[in-house]
Amino acid sequence: QQQVKQSPQSLIVQKGGISIINCAYENTAFDYFPWYQQFPGKGPALLIAIRPDVSEKKEGRFTISFNKSAKQFSLHIMDSQPGDSATYFCAAPGDDKIIFGKGTRLHILP
Amino acid sequence: DTEVTQTPKHLVMGMTNKKSLKCEQHMGHRAMYWYKQKAKKPPELMFVYSYEKLSINESVPSRFSPECPNSSLLNLHLHALQPEDSALYLCASSQRSGTSRMETQYFGPGTRLLVL
Repeated sequence: QQQVKQSPQSLIVQKGGISIINCAYENTAFDYFPWYQQFPGKGPALLIAIRPDVSEKKEGRFTISFNKSAKQFSLHIMDSQPGDSATYFCAAPGDDKIIFGKGTRLHILP
Repeated sequence: DTEVTQTPKHLVMGMTNKKSLKCEQHMGHRAMYWYKQKAKKPPELMFVYSYEKLSINESVPSRFSPECPNSSLLNLHLHALQPEDSALYLCASSQRSGTSRMETQYFGPGTRLLVL
């Protein structure tokens, strides 16, 4: 199965709060899970990525949690800031192309 | 330099026009991609070039014609487009052939196309 299911579709979080975006996959051959961040009028940019041999990866305020048995991974944004307002895509590289989730539009209230 | 540049930023064209989108990268990447992105949707892959050869065509209509003149440049020629082709067209590049699952793709800012 070449799908990556992402939720929620949109998310509003107060400044300083924790933003959590979830993704689930079916293909156990997926072995690399990047998150892309896209600001309006810009192309997507790699934010953070994880391999399934670790359960968590942290870069600054951004953390990926990975649950291999449940085939789920999530992005946590700690101390969310208005500048984090963007669309976030989880992804998994298939054999010949990146499989993107449908995206989450995150809005951080000032 | 991790930049992919695209020109023009905006393009308005009629259904009988011929226009071209341009993409350039100077990272030494050997895989380049064209994506189409509609509002509130993820990017959809259109074409992949690997070592200047077309390796993937995702069943894109022939009114879109890609060209890779050299390893740094990628063009998308447009002819007889339809209003439903209006979208953000993104170019991306990655280091090698595009078949490695752990390659990072670097995206340009896109060309916002409106077909009247």
